[in-house]
Amino acid sequence: EADIYQTPRYLVIGTGKKITLECSQTMGHDKMYWYQQDPGMELHLIHYSYGVNSTEKGDLSSESTVSRIRTEHFPLTLESARPSHTSQYLCASYRDLSDTQYFGPGTRLTVL
Amino acid sequence: GENVEQHPSTLSVQEGDSAVIKCTYSDSASNYFPWYKQELGKGPQLIIDIRSNVGEKKDQRIAVTLNKTAKHFSLHITETQPEDSAVYFCAASTNNAGNMLTFGGGTRLMVKP
Repeated sequence: EADIYQTPRYLVIGTGKKITLECSQTMGHDKMYWYQQDPGMELHLIHYSYGVNSTEKGDLSSESTVSRIRTEHFPLTLESARPSHTSQYLCASYRDLSDTQYFGPGTRLTVL
Repeated sequence: GENVEQHPSTLSVQEGDSAVIKCTYSDSASNYFPWYKQELGKGPQLIIDIRSNVGEKKDQRIAVTLNKTAKHFSLHITETQPEDSAVYFCAASTNNAGNMLTFGGGTRLMVKP
């Protein structure tokens, strides 16, 4: 079982606020991912990283940004939150060539 | 790029019955197919996976079958229980591992006691 953590689990904020969603894993995985999950259930890749100082945009365009300064930490930032950012955000990490992605518990963000 | 379609989007079964969820993929180079279960308020958890050199894999009440020619794979849950109620996702990738996954749209399974 993977040890991947996300904080906060729930966040309700007002429009225009800057927020950072935290994701950390204790397994030394090089590859990490951020997904946005809409109410219709679909998972959309918004950012990924193959290691320290490596970040790439995913398939779904997002106004969020990410950083990867340490292997275990992959935070996601919204400079100015809007109601359209309301969603579930899931972080994942990948173990090695013969394995798959492991997900954190998610952060449910509501922007009023 | 890869496209994965999943059906049905919702599935309701009686406790003890079997449930089948089907996925099709578009990229013939795909060779790794995991299935995830997402319970309410949690992140998706891997429940079973299959690689393209295998046609079927079983783990207790769950099994996955793969038809490479037709480019589809299925999840079978037998003797369903209320705790099987969740959203299930299929996924595919082309590097024989879960490096970059393309997910299906999800199936909400409800098991009625």
